[in-house]
Amino acid sequence: NAGVMQNPRHLVRRRGQEARLRCSPMKGHSHVYWYRQLPEEGLKFMVYLQKENIIDESGMPKERFSAEFPKEGPSILRIQQVVRGDSAAYFCASSPQGARGNTIYFGEGSWLTVV
Amino acid sequence: DQQVKQNSPSLSVQEGRISILNCDYTNSMFDYFLWYKKYPAEGPTFLISISSIKDKNEDGRFTVFLNKSAKHLSLHIVPSQPGDSAVYFCAASEGGTSYGKLTFGQGTILTVHP
Repeated sequence: NAGVMQNPRHLVRRRGQEARLRCSPMKGHSHVYWYRQLPEEGLKFMVYLQKENIIDESGMPKERFSAEFPKEGPSILRIQQVVRGDSAAYFCASSPQGARGNTIYFGEGSWLTVV
Repeated sequence: DQQVKQNSPSLSVQEGRISILNCDYTNSMFDYFLWYKKYPAEGPTFLISISSIKDKNEDGRFTVFLNKSAKHLSLHIVPSQPGDSAVYFCAASEGGTSYGKLTFGQGTILTVHP
């Protein structure tokens, strides 16, 4: 049973470009979460999605960031017009419905570097 | 506003001894607490959790203690092994439909010396 798959693992973008990070949840999981870890900090919640629905986006920056989890295909975290401060590790996690904490599985992360 | 705090950035312990990692929180609505272990360039791996209705949960070498009145929890690892060397994150959630919305501490780097 494959785990949470994230790609790309590493992404380099110039300031002003767009970054797209993809996440395929574990088989059978219908809930996806995105977290961001800035250098020297803990992980911070960004957004919680179910298929075709955003449940909680209270951690998303108001501008340039968006997320989706379509009926078919992976969840996408999209960052438009990236700036140096967007450089971070972005982790996706998934869970089955009604998850408690120990059924939340994290992916290996996508490292975004903005130059 | 840091709702979950791990005040020790690092901890160094001798192999075979006990490692105690501490975590404090401020949000009274948190009712579920977790510890994750993380290696560089990898995602967090779940270790152990505890519900607010308990004050202790044990799983092998790992025990988590919760003191609700002090809003404090700790992770005990006995005996510590070199393979335990990693960054340990404390996390909390408000439960209900928000189980996956975790608030993390800043992490503590644990080094276990052979």
